[in-house]
Formats: sequence, C-alpha cells, structure tokens
Amino acid sequence: QVQLVESGGGVVQPGGSLRLSCAASGFTFSSYGMHWVRQAPGKGLEWVAFIRYDGSNKYYADSVKGRFTISRDNSKNTLYLQMNSLRAEDTAVYYCAKDHDDYGDYDAPLDYWGQGTLVTVSS
Amino acid sequence: DIQMTQSPSTLSASVGDRVTITCRASQSISSWLAWYQQKPGKAPKLLIYKASSLESGVPSRFSGSGSGTEFTLTISSLQPDDFATYYCQQYNSYSSAFGQGTKVEIK
Repeated sequence: QVQLVESGGGVVQPGGSLRLSCAASGFTFSSYGMHWVRQAPGKGLEWVAFIRYDGSNKYYADSVKGRFTISRDNSKNTLYLQMNSLRAEDTAVYYCAKDHDDYGDYDAPLDYWGQGTLVTVSS
Repeated sequence: DIQMTQSPSTLSASVGDRVTITCRASQSISSWLAWYQQKPGKAPKLLIYKASSLESGVPSRFSGSGSGTEFTLTISSLQPDDFATYYCQQYNSYSSAFGQGTKVEIK
C-alpha cells in the first residue's frame, strides 16, 4: 500500500532554515510527480510546490518562491523541501502528496497524502 | 494566478439531506478540478477529479459537475461520516490552488 511519511519538522527562529523529508513506499516513486501542501493552524490548504517525476520541472507558490526548494532522490524514494529565510507565516503542517497520474507534469490531482509534519517559526 | 472561491464557508445540514457546495475559478480551468474531504487532524482525501470522476473507493453519494469556471460537489444523502471540511483544487496551471474550504456541520 502507498505510504508517505514526512519528517524534519520542528521549531525554528525567524530567518532560520529547515529541511523536510518525505519517505515514499508502495508505488514506483520515480514515475510520479510529487507535491508539498501546507495548512496553517485552523486555516485552509495552501499548495506550496511541485516536482515532476524526473525532477526536470519544479513549480512554486509565489509565497515561497526564492526561499523554498523542492527536490527528490529517486534512488532513495525520498522527496525534500529545503526551507530558508523562514517567517512566522510559514508556520503550518506540511504534507507531501503524490500525483494521481504517472509521468505527468502539474496536471493531476493528489491521491495520497502523508500524515504531515508541523513547522513552527517563532522566536 | 487562478483564484478559487468556495461557497458557502459553512453549511449546517442533517443526516439524509442533499448538500451542494459551489466552487468558482477566476478564469477557465476546463475540467481540471478536484474535490477533497478533510477531517480534523487528518490529511485530505481525494473524492472527485476531472470535475466529475469519482475516485476509487469513494461512495456514490458523492458527485461532481461543472466546467470552465463554475463547479459543484453534491452529496445526495448526507451520512454521519460526511461531516467534515471540503476543498476544491484547480490543477489547470502550474501554480495550483485550493479553495478556502466549506465546513459541513451537524444541524
């Protein structure tokens, strides 16, 4: 069965950095695009970033462009999110999620999600 | 960027009611729209994709319709397990976006 397990969350000071990981299993990771989606406490879902199955295309929300970097290691079945210059408004649960369709670009819904990892940006 | 607007923000209904949630896109997204259900403390669950296709394993009381800029999610007969928050998502452009959510509460 498909499993996505996020890790790396925690408390960080404003201006600091954090790297999130998402370990994938139960499917051919190298065939699927992957996303990061976040949810601030008590708020709605916000799409953060997408990476194509082969890593050739990456897209970001305007709110994180230039500060966050999405990457993947298909040999380790792992997705990453490097977060720099963190702000209070980046405080959220961060979910990784898998594309519904294989070999796509951005044009697919998200069919499996991890349980999320909490990032708190506070002094 | 494409903005997604859901209505209503909150909906009070009873078990057995027919429920409809609307999602509007700021520009045409063809049929590249999905609906998700989220319960407190849990990850979202995909219900509908491509505006009207039912995800495998999702009960048939859920249905979706629409194209272009206006879409609806309908629950034909609300069940106790359906009280949750529902989100629409457009995946027409490389900058995806979710609606703000509709919370379905017990009346």
